Amino acid sequence: DGGITQSPKYLFRKEGQNVTLSCEQNLNHDAMYWYRQDPGQGLRLIYYSQIVNDFQKGDIAEGYSVSREKKESFPLTVTSAQKNPTAFYLCASRNASGGTGELFFGEGSRLTVL
Amino acid sequence: SQELEQSPQSLIVQEGKNLTINCTSSKTLYGLYWYKQKYGEGLIFLMMLQKGGEEKSHEKITAKLDEKKQQSSLHITASQPSHAGIYLCGALGYNQGGKLIFGQGTELSVKP
Repeated sequence: DGGITQSPKYLFRKEGQNVTLSCEQNLNHDAMYWYRQDPGQGLRLIYYSQIVNDFQKGDIAEGYSVSREKKESFPLTVTSAQKNPTAFYLCASRNASGGTGELFFGEGSRLTVL
Repeated sequence: SQELEQSPQSLIVQEGKNLTINCTSSKTLYGLYWYKQKYGEGLIFLMMLQKGGEEKSHEKITAKLDEKKQQSSLHITASQPSHAGIYLCGALGYNQGGKLIFGQGTELSVKP
């Protein structure tokens, strides 16, 4: 079935360590997005990519990095420079060139920094 | 930059009652999306509005976009426990290069 797969679902890391969250889609979507969600809050945009080998900073990009080497993959690295990394991370993709263009979301990755 | 403001932030209603959630944009919207989320899970797409004055319905949920394309409302008729969750509005702005942002969400609880 087509969809978005995020892994791992749960991740625990020590302070100061870099962490990479995986996001893979088989929907043939050009655009992919990473959001962060904190308890009781909405989604805040970290990075997004409209096409392979290109990406843009969202509203809270500091302390994060991404790559888009393949159309189906958009991994997010949470670096040690991110001051409050504990959060729920959501990846999404969309067909930006047709239809309603809605985002399709993965099930999320919950990162806890100890 | 564009911002989305949702109100109320949380809502508790008795089963069977109607309710409305609002989403206001600081700039004209190119597209407005409504999603529902159960805590700790991904988002489920409800509806997308693009034209000023547009209204769409799905089962007991109706969404509207005002003529100026800066405000949307989501109305639930005869609420049920299955409607409980977090409702989020998301938007694409004009000339934003695909940047899609969200409001802070409205947490809905439905008391049986």
